[in-house]
Order: sequence, then C-alpha cells, then structure tokens
Amino acid sequence: TQLLEQSPQFLSIQEGENLTVYCNSSSVFSSLQWYRQEPGEGPVLLVTVVTGGEVKKLKRLTFQFGDARKDSSLHITAAQPGDTGLYLCAGEGSNYQLIWGAGTKLIIKP
Amino acid sequence: DSGVTQTPKHLITATGQRVTLRCSPRSGDLSVYWYQQSLDQGLQFLIQYYNGEERAKGNILERFSAQQFPDLHSELNLSSLELGDSALYFCASSPDRVPLEQYFGPGTRLTVT
Repeated sequence: TQLLEQSPQFLSIQEGENLTVYCNSSSVFSSLQWYRQEPGEGPVLLVTVVTGGEVKKLKRLTFQFGDARKDSSLHITAAQPGDTGLYLCAGEGSNYQLIWGAGTKLIIKP
Repeated sequence: DSGVTQTPKHLITATGQRVTLRCSPRSGDLSVYWYQQSLDQGLQFLIQYYNGEERAKGNILERFSAQQFPDLHSELNLSSLELGDSALYFCASSPDRVPLEQYFGPGTRLTVT
C-alpha cells in the first residue's frame, strides 16, 4: 500500500519567517502535486513535479521532488498571512490514482 | 474558479434521511472523483467515475452510492444518514492525461442533526 506522510501536521509561525513542510513515502511516484486548501473551500492545485530532483518556484514558494521520486518538500520564504491554509501533497501511484497525504495546517500570524 | 460546480452549497438534514449531491466537471474532463473531508481532517477518497463507468473505489460506505450520467455530471447519494456523516463533500474532475491533476469544486457542507 502506498502511503504519503506529511510533516509537520501543524505549524504556526510569525509573518516574515521561512518554513519547510515535507511529504515522504517509501514508494516511488510518477508525479507529485501540492494543493492548498483554505477553510470551507476546495483544494487548489499549486504545482506538479514529475522529474526526480526537479525544483519549481511559484513566487515565494519553492517545491522540490526528491531524486528518487519518493519525497517532496515545500519551502515558503518570508511567509505572509495569505499563505495560511491546509497544504496537501498527493502522489500519482502505479494505478493512476492519487495517494493523498493528511496535510499540514499552516497558520501565519501577522 | 476551477470550472467544477457542486450543488447544493449547504445541506442540513436529519438522521436516517437520504440526500443527493450533484457535481458538474470541467468542460472536457471525463473523470469525476468524490471525497469526504471531516472537520480538520484530510481528504478521504470515496469513488471515481470515468466516462460513465466506475473506475476506482476508496473508503465508501455501503450506504453511499454514486453515478455518472451521459452528460458527465455526477451524483453522490447518501442514505440512512448518521451524525458522523456530517462533513464537507468535494467533487473533483481531471482530464484523461498524465500527470494526473485534479480540479476541485467548492464542496457541499452536509450537516446531519
């Protein structure tokens, strides 16, 4: 069974700080996606990484796919209150299904 | 706006009742997924339909069922509702290509009293 573990489960930091959240597995994924979900709304796709070692940047957000395509990280530089939300990673498994992590709840305090 | 629509936005009903949630996927997307999200929890995959056929099943209760119609809209039927069924229910759609990317609707908040 393919599983994705996200850490930390919860993170509360001050505006302006940097942070990294992780998405780890013992399984290989053909691609991995990050979504952000705000309270009461549906998740929104932020990025898809496909190649081992790939790094993608989205303004202050940097996403990295592990060399072995088993893990990923999301780094936020100079966090802002608008970054608050639930960050979910999802890996595309061997049967063309998405395996979801449980999420990291991020709160950025002004 | 993801292009995925869900109705109703909110639903309040009593235990033992039956409700139907509706989803229209993005134009051109053949796959529809249903998810349940309880308070402060992650997404629980329920079921996937592709072009009218069931493709994958997750942790869907026997009291729940779904279908996808020829116009590709989908309905999730929840019956014999229990208090624990109170949750956000999301529909997502995806195009038939890899990498697999899903686009979510705004959700239906179900409250069972």
